[in-house]
Amino acid sequence: AQSVTQLGSHVSVSEGALVLLRCNYSSSVPPYLFWYVQYPNQGLQLLLKYTSAATLVKGINGFEAEFKKSETSFHLTKPSAHMSDAAEYFCAVKVDGNNRLAFGKGNQVVVIP
Amino acid sequence: GAGVSQSPSNKVTEKGKDVELRCDPISGHTALYWYRQSLGQGLEFLIYFQGNSAPDKSGLPSDRFSAERTGGSVSTLTIQRTQQEDSAVYLCASSTRPGLGETQYFGPGTRLLVL
Repeated sequence: AQSVTQLGSHVSVSEGALVLLRCNYSSSVPPYLFWYVQYPNQGLQLLLKYTSAATLVKGINGFEAEFKKSETSFHLTKPSAHMSDAAEYFCAVKVDGNNRLAFGKGNQVVVIP
Repeated sequence: GAGVSQSPSNKVTEKGKDVELRCDPISGHTALYWYRQSLGQGLEFLIYFQGNSAPDKSGLPSDRFSAERTGGSVSTLTIQRTQQEDSAVYLCASSTRPGLGETQYFGPGTRLLVL
């Protein structure tokens, strides 16, 4: 079954610096991949998703992700971190033959002024 | 428009008591999902409803957990004889009829604490 792996539970980034969150997937079929963000005491909000169209996907709040089949990756980036980007970020894959999402462990992003 | 709503937002209960958690999906969404978010296990799928089809209950951790969806809209997740390990945030999500890569929209969650 499909799965995703996120390494490094906590990520610290300086304000204005590049944000890079890594996600690697495991899938025997073309995957559908998602990045969600969760602010404190809130639900999950979709940042962007890959559904086999363009490999470079642009999302909300200046985030983007690139699907790389050769590397089985879907890393999330933002050129310049803002204080408001402090949150938890989850990578997820749609499980084949089912409609559930399988989530990674998440990355807690801290933005340092 | 209105998003997914859940109630209560917080629930504190004593071990052994039953609890009911409610989810109101986005109007017109035929698919509804329950997930559990806990420190030890991360985000886990619990159950999935699609229209009038039989629900996919494969993620429910024990027979103390059950869920129903009335009239294809509101859903209730029931936990009987709660245990301390049931303490978690229970998230509900809804989507349009499942297809290829449809987005699941999440509610704010119910934070359950079992003492």
